[in-house]
Amino acid sequence: AAGVIQSPRHLIKEKRETATLKCYPIPRHDTVYWYQQGPGQDPQFLISFYEKMQSDKGSIPDRFSAQQFSDYHSELNMSSLELGDSALYFCASSLRQRLDANTGELFFGEGSRLTVL
Amino acid sequence: AQSVAQPEDQVNVAEGNPLTVKCTYSVSGNPYLFWYVQYPNRGLQFLLKYITGDNLVKGSYGFEAEFNKSQTSFHLKKPSALVSDSALYFCAVRDMGSNDYKLSFGAGTTVTVRA
Repeated sequence: AAGVIQSPRHLIKEKRETATLKCYPIPRHDTVYWYQQGPGQDPQFLISFYEKMQSDKGSIPDRFSAQQFSDYHSELNMSSLELGDSALYFCASSLRQRLDANTGELFFGEGSRLTVL
Repeated sequence: AQSVAQPEDQVNVAEGNPLTVKCTYSVSGNPYLFWYVQYPNRGLQFLLKYITGDNLVKGSYGFEAEFNKSQTSFHLKKPSALVSDSALYFCAVRDMGSNDYKLSFGAGTTVTVRA
């Protein structure tokens, strides 16, 4: 079965540079979530999109922005990178629009590891 | 607000012994509860979930979890652990009544199963 695809898997940037991470959700899933997992930490929610509109916002820095496109893929743009941005960035998707109450099960990609030097 | 606590950073067991990973939650309404497992440099893999109904939930790889509303707990269990179960385990919660759909994760518990 198709899973959540994230690219690139690894990315190395210098301080103050910009980075873009991409996420391709499971086909027909309508909701995308971005999480940041620092070294030895739990995943922290950044932002989510439902049907291409921002749905919820967590602890996402102002230097970061994201959007979901017409094909439902999403991109996380990070500017003025800082050393502390080094982390594993996960994208997850789910299908919210169901006849029954959506149970909120998220399906995660393998993550994009960003290293800021 | 919704949150999860995993009181143990690490759990060490011998292969063949029972494994328990503890989780307690806090939500305003009723919870949806999840367990995920993460292997090194990999994504989070879904193990099981509690939505409603039977308090004992069975999931992947022989894992099960018991929902206890009075104790607000959702402990993960496996009757006989394998070395391959060594990984990082996350408990997560969503408030059933909330309008947002994000999951909140616990800090994670590192499980080490020794041969």
